[in-house]
Amino acid sequence: GDSVTQMEGPVTLSEEAFLTINCTYTATGYPSLFWYVQYPGEGLQLLLKATKADDKGSNKGFEATYRKETTSFHLEKGSVQVSDSAVYFCALRTISSYGKLTFGQGTILTVHP
Amino acid sequence: NAGVTQTPKFRVLKTGQSMTLLCAQDMNHEYMYWYRQDPGMGLRLIHYSVGEGTTAKGEVPDGYNVSRLKKQNFLLGLESAAPSQTSVYFCASSYDSDPYNEQFFGPGTRLTVL
Repeated sequence: GDSVTQMEGPVTLSEEAFLTINCTYTATGYPSLFWYVQYPGEGLQLLLKATKADDKGSNKGFEATYRKETTSFHLEKGSVQVSDSAVYFCALRTISSYGKLTFGQGTILTVHP
Repeated sequence: NAGVTQTPKFRVLKTGQSMTLLCAQDMNHEYMYWYRQDPGMGLRLIHYSVGEGTTAKGEVPDGYNVSRLKKQNFLLGLESAAPSQTSVYFCASSYDSDPYNEQFFGPGTRLTVL
């Protein structure tokens, strides 16, 4: 079946540091890939997505590139802010899955001033 | 547009009690989903619906029932709550099952079963 594996957390960084959160996947079909963010006390929000190989999704300074050859979709940001502190989820969706999302376990990011 | 709303936001139950969580969406979406979120496990699908009057089991359906009597509402029921059902529950909706399309989430319901 489909699965998503994220790097172990939590991740603690200082403001303006570089962020990478690794995400790899296995899927029976050709998935679309997503990063969702959950701020404290809130629901999930779509951060970015990519729907085919070599696509780059980007939003709010975050980027992730769909790498089919390595089945990866790593999240990066060049300079994090305190306001980026949240839980980040990598997820996939395939056409055969009735639209359901398969999530990774989530990575807690804390950014200190 | 309110998007996806959930009621209640918080609830504490005793073992064996029952309750219903309500999800409503105003985007005319066909597909609706119930997930549970547990630490270190991401979100897992409980049940889903592909249209009014339909429901189907997800990955972790045991102990839950659902109904979709109206297109805009998706109800999740716990008939006899157990401590293992302590979790945060998220409802989501999407226009269809196309993987290109976004799935929208509600703010969640935090349930504690004592």
